[in-house]
This record gives sequence, C-alpha cells and structure tokens, in this order.
Amino acid sequence: AQTVTQSQPEMSVQEAETVTLSCTYDTSESDYYLFWYKQPPSRQMILVIRQEAYKQQNATENRFSVNFQKAAKSFSLKISDSQLGDAAMYFCAYRSPYYGGSQGNLIFGKGTKLSVKP
Amino acid sequence: NAGVTQTPKFQVLKTGQSMTLQCAQDMNHEYMSWYRQDPGMGLRLIHYSVGAGITDQGEVPNGYNVSRSTTEDFPLRLLSAAPSQTSVYFCASVGRADTQYFGPGTRLTVL
Repeated sequence: AQTVTQSQPEMSVQEAETVTLSCTYDTSESDYYLFWYKQPPSRQMILVIRQEAYKQQNATENRFSVNFQKAAKSFSLKISDSQLGDAAMYFCAYRSPYYGGSQGNLIFGKGTKLSVKP
Repeated sequence: NAGVTQTPKFQVLKTGQSMTLQCAQDMNHEYMSWYRQDPGMGLRLIHYSVGAGITDQGEVPNGYNVSRSTTEDFPLRLLSAAPSQTSVYFCASVGRADTQYFGPGTRLTVL
C-alpha cells in the first residue's frame, strides 16, 4: 500500500522569503500523480500544484514549484516570495494513475502548518 | 458551474442520532469520494463510488453508509452518531483529468 509522509508538522517563514515543505512517499508503482493542496482557515481544499511521475520536468505554478526526485521518492514544495495569504495547512497527496477501484482516491500526508511572519 | 457542493456546513448531533450529509457535483464526474479530516491525521477515505450504482469502502467506513443513485449526488449517512465521528467531512469528485475537486466541507460535532 502507498504511504505519504510529511515530516514537518509546522514551519515558519518570513514574508518575502522562500520556504520548502518536505514530502516523501512510498509506492511500488512506476507511474502516479502527486499533488500539493493548501487548506486555509476557511478549510477549503485548494489544489496548488500537481506532478505526473512520468514527467521529468518539475511542475511550477507562479510562486510555487516542486522538486520531484523520483528515485528518492521525494516531492517537496517551494514557495518563493512568501505572502501572508500563504499561511495555511499544506497537504501532500498521492494518486495511482489507474481510474478504477480504490486507486482513484488520494492518499494524504498528515499536513504541514505554515505560518508567515510579517 | 457550482463544482462540488456540500450541505450542511455545520451540524451538531446527539449520540445515537442519524443524519445525512449531502454532496452534489455538476461536472459529470464518475468518481466521487468522502473523506474525514481529524487533527494530526490528514484526510482519510470513508467511502467512494466509481459511478452510479457502484460504491465501495475506504479506509474508515465503519458507522457510515453511502449510495449513488445518480451521477450528480453522493450522500453520506451516519446511522447512529458517536462522539468518535466528530470531524470535518469532505466530499470530492474526480474527472478524467485526474484532479480531485473538493466541496467546502461539513463540520460535524457529536455530543
């Protein structure tokens, strides 16, 4: 069974600085999807970024980018030029590529709470 | 296009009461899921459905029932509420683009 581990329960960053959130996962599949979700105090789950395992190029979305290391099974999220609105819980998630059975669902890490200091 | 909607947003129950959490999506997604979120536990899968008439259990199904009579709706029923079911519940749907879309969540408290 696949597992996702986020080893940093809490992180803090100064406004305008850069922070990296860590995520590791375990799987025997060669193809899969990885996601980072943001959950602000409103509790809405917001997709930040996604990565297909077959793509070597790291995904980027504006100030958010990932460092995907397939061999090491590592998927970290880098937030550049941190803003007060980035303060939230961040969840790393894994999904099998197969569209059927339980494999279509996400497996989540336990989350990292990010604080942004002004 | 409303995406994924959930009702109610908040609910307080007494132990032993039953209720249904409603979930609907207007994106014609076949795949829908229910998760619960507890402090320090991330989100865990309760039940899921791969299409109308087809449901299956996830990681933490005990105490919950689901049915899927239409593509749009996927209600979650608590049969006899227990304090251990106090949680935040999320409904989600998945399209062929493989991205999960989440509803706004329901905060449930069982006294």
